[in-house]
Amino acid sequence: GAVVSQHPSWVICKSGTSVKIECRSLDFQATTMFWYRQFPKQSLMLMATSNEGSKATYEQGVEKDKFLINHASLTLSTLTVTSAHPEDSSFYICSARDLSGRDNEQFFGPGTRLTVL
Amino acid sequence: KQEVTQIPAALSVPEGENLVLNCSFTDSAIYNLQWFRQDPGKGLTSLLLIQSSQREQTSGRLNASLDKSSGRSTLYIAASQPGDSATYLCAASPSGSARQLTFGSGTQLTVLP
Repeated sequence: GAVVSQHPSWVICKSGTSVKIECRSLDFQATTMFWYRQFPKQSLMLMATSNEGSKATYEQGVEKDKFLINHASLTLSTLTVTSAHPEDSSFYICSARDLSGRDNEQFFGPGTRLTVL
Repeated sequence: KQEVTQIPAALSVPEGENLVLNCSFTDSAIYNLQWFRQDPGKGLTSLLLIQSSQREQTSGRLNASLDKSSGRSTLYIAASQPGDSATYLCAASPSGSARQLTFGSGTQLTVLP
């Protein structure tokens, strides 16, 4: 099946620093990638939809200036958490939609655990 | 706005039992519905995807059904094993161009040996 990777798998940073998370589709092309956040014991909440070559679409309540998304190619999207604070500590998961596969089947990355001290 | 609910939130069964996990959604205008498995601290593994025109999908010991008119989907697990222990999430994809997923809160399954 299609494989999506994320890097790093975990990161610990100090409050006020910025952290970049990469999401890659390894064996397929994806015009659309999605970024989700998951707090402990809760389900996934969509943060934004990332479209290759255009601006991301953010969900209500998600600050676009804080969570910068860049989808520069058909296989790579990045999420940068700027000026991170402890409340940003969460599990961030991306997914990618396979252009050539079953319509709208999304493949998920393994997630990135962010801890802000 | 689509809302997805999963019941029960947690379930504990002895090994070998057959079990059913429930998922309900408020907006029946869905494109498809997916069931995922999530192990602690890990990402999601897709189990089954049911298109809106389909009524069920099967993969090994798993069978998922979809009833759009009643806004329900079920995941049936036959002959459960301890390795099935995980959180199971259902997610609905709306009709439309973006087709982002709306997730339920999950059912945490524990299969006791």
